[in-house]
Amino acid sequence: RKEVEQDPGPFNVPEGATVAFNCTYSNSASQSFFWYRQDCRKEPKLLMSVYSSGNEDGRFTAQLNRASQYISLLIRDSKLSDSATYLCVVNGRNYGQNFVFGPGTRLSVLP
Amino acid sequence: GAVVSQHPSRVICKSGTSVKIECRSLDFQATTMFWYRQFPKQSLMLMATSNEGSKATYEQGVEKDKFLINHASLTLSTLTVTSAHPEDSSFYICSARDRTALDQPQHFGDGTRLSIL
Repeated sequence: RKEVEQDPGPFNVPEGATVAFNCTYSNSASQSFFWYRQDCRKEPKLLMSVYSSGNEDGRFTAQLNRASQYISLLIRDSKLSDSATYLCVVNGRNYGQNFVFGPGTRLSVLP
Repeated sequence: GAVVSQHPSRVICKSGTSVKIECRSLDFQATTMFWYRQFPKQSLMLMATSNEGSKATYEQGVEKDKFLINHASLTLSTLTVTSAHPEDSSFYICSARDRTALDQPQHFGDGTRLSIL
């Protein structure tokens, strides 16, 4: 089983739609969780950290369920500029060590 | 915010050439830097962890003699792809973490697109 798994995608949604991405991780000792976005042929950019209590940043809401080892990202009122690949990232073998990236889920927001 | 500079951004060279990629943390010190590779339509894959002042830690399947890593200072790590071949063509990205904020996200360089002819 891969350390981090995500919805395979791609997701094609109309502008204004709400879209949810799911992610599961296998290492129960993981401490830090993040969502990154990666545009085509670019480096990943941090979208938001994910906290145990859940957190929101504008149209983006992240949730963490430690018991189920599950992370989610909700995008409301999607914009054309949200089109990208969304990467679920979990810290690796030990706290403070390398982050493990999920395979990513491609989102295309259509006009 | 924290900035990581990666250079060069694009390399096109002949098979057999060795290519050196630099990764610098501009406004913070990084005892650890990470080197990733990403093939088209695939996920980022960690190649190695670069440790300042000591040997790099390579992931399984990554040839240490082919991908030479040097992390001689707290702000610079280099990756040298030795005798590169077409199958080494890929997007190489480095990242670094502020040594004073290990629980914070990694900061990525802009990446190096390597094309071996």
